[in-house]
Amino acid sequence: EVQLVESGGGLVKPGGSLRLSCVTSGITFGNAWMTWVRQAPGKGPEWVGRIKDISQGATTDYAASLQGRFSISRDDSKKMVYLQMDSLRTEDTAVYYCAAGLCVGTNCHWDDAFEIWGQGTMVVVSS
Amino acid sequence: QSALTQPPSASGSPGQSVTISCTGTSSDIGRHSFVSWYQQHPGKAPKLMIYEVNKRPSGVPDRFSGSKSGNTASLTVSGLQAEDEADYFCSSYADIKTLVVFGGGTKVTVL
Repeated sequence: EVQLVESGGGLVKPGGSLRLSCVTSGITFGNAWMTWVRQAPGKGPEWVGRIKDISQGATTDYAASLQGRFSISRDDSKKMVYLQMDSLRTEDTAVYYCAAGLCVGTNCHWDDAFEIWGQGTMVVVSS
Repeated sequence: QSALTQPPSASGSPGQSVTISCTGTSSDIGRHSFVSWYQQHPGKAPKLMIYEVNKRPSGVPDRFSGSKSGNTASLTVSGLQAEDEADYFCSSYADIKTLVVFGGGTKVTVL
């Protein structure tokens, strides 16, 4: 069964840090580009960033709005992807999802069509 | 404020059709055919319904269809059913640092 499970969310004060984890199963993790998407209460989703697979240098890209505060990493031996969030602000309050793109045969839509999603983990930034 | 603009709500009776618009710019929808649509029920993760403007992933009913003209994409749900009542979000690949942009969502109500 294909599954993504996020963890690590919780309540944090402004200026604090938090690391989210996403464990995967049922996907060929070594080939997968993994994405983080967040969704503030009552709002549309917001792309946070993405990490490519190891063969592509595990290159990362991030939303411009984050201003360098977040970073994504991966551990292929554990089939896990992480989101390190620093200098957190109240506007970072959201459900954070990890996601993977749709693959049709050998053609994968890593950056434009997210077929596999976790259940999300809630992050609340408040004093 | 979301990068792509969607109407906040749409509705239709069972069996009818509803069309949702999604307006972007020449840097996203206008330039790429990588437009996707997602369905989200309350408390659930989004579900991919349409990719590459008009393609359906396996298992998505053919009642769902997509199109694009210029900077605007559209999702049509034909033969509305009660289970189609949900929030729908569009997204597009973009030629900016933020690689993927989303819409603010449209709540579809089945009357």
